[in-house]
Amino acid sequence: DIQMTQSPSSLSASVGDRVTITCRASQGINSYLAWFQQKPGKAPKSLIYAASRLQSGAPSRFSGSGSGTDFSLTISSLQPEDFGTYYCQQYDRYPLTFGGGTKVEIK
Amino acid sequence: EVQLVESGGGLVKPGGSLRLSCAATGFTLSSYSLNWVRQAPGKGLEWVSSISPTGSSIYYADSVKGRFTTSRDNAKNSLFLETNSLRVEDTAIYYCARGSYDILTAIAYWGQGTLVTVSS
Repeated sequence: DIQMTQSPSSLSASVGDRVTITCRASQGINSYLAWFQQKPGKAPKSLIYAASRLQSGAPSRFSGSGSGTDFSLTISSLQPEDFGTYYCQQYDRYPLTFGGGTKVEIK
Repeated sequence: EVQLVESGGGLVKPGGSLRLSCAATGFTLSSYSLNWVRQAPGKGLEWVSSISPTGSSIYYADSVKGRFTTSRDNAKNSLFLETNSLRVEDTAIYYCARGSYDILTAIAYWGQGTLVTVSS
């Protein structure tokens, strides 16, 4: 199985900050990587697919990059509503696997 | 507007069964792959199963293989997860999630989830 490792596991940042979360796959997954945001008590929402493509409806301050084994999600200017936990997920092969999550808090 | 609404969760004893359903609206179900993803209390996301648009290909996580069965009824715009031989560790919110036009594609939409609690 492909292991997905996210870092950091949590972070605290101020409104307006540029925030970057990284995700590393244990094997190459081309660009078959997605990012999701989940707020407490809510279902996840899709942000990014194919490593760098913005899902319909996702704010443009979110961007993704990377290919192969190393990926990142960047929030260009952190907003108050961006708190929550962010997950990466590979869909290169089954079983689909998720990273452990990065909890983002607003200072 | 794409909507996925899960139902069928509840409290069940170890060894019991539940049938989860996911009703889809706002798109043509037969064109898209579908997934079940679960989340144990306070834990991260865990993929459970995927099914291709026609239902001809189905994949399962090892943790549920042989106990869970995924099916779909495109005419009724519905996805199902038959869960048998339930264990305490199956306790989780179960989400229905829509992929794209083929199997092994990115998840674009999620339902609100249905809670399954396995306890004696």
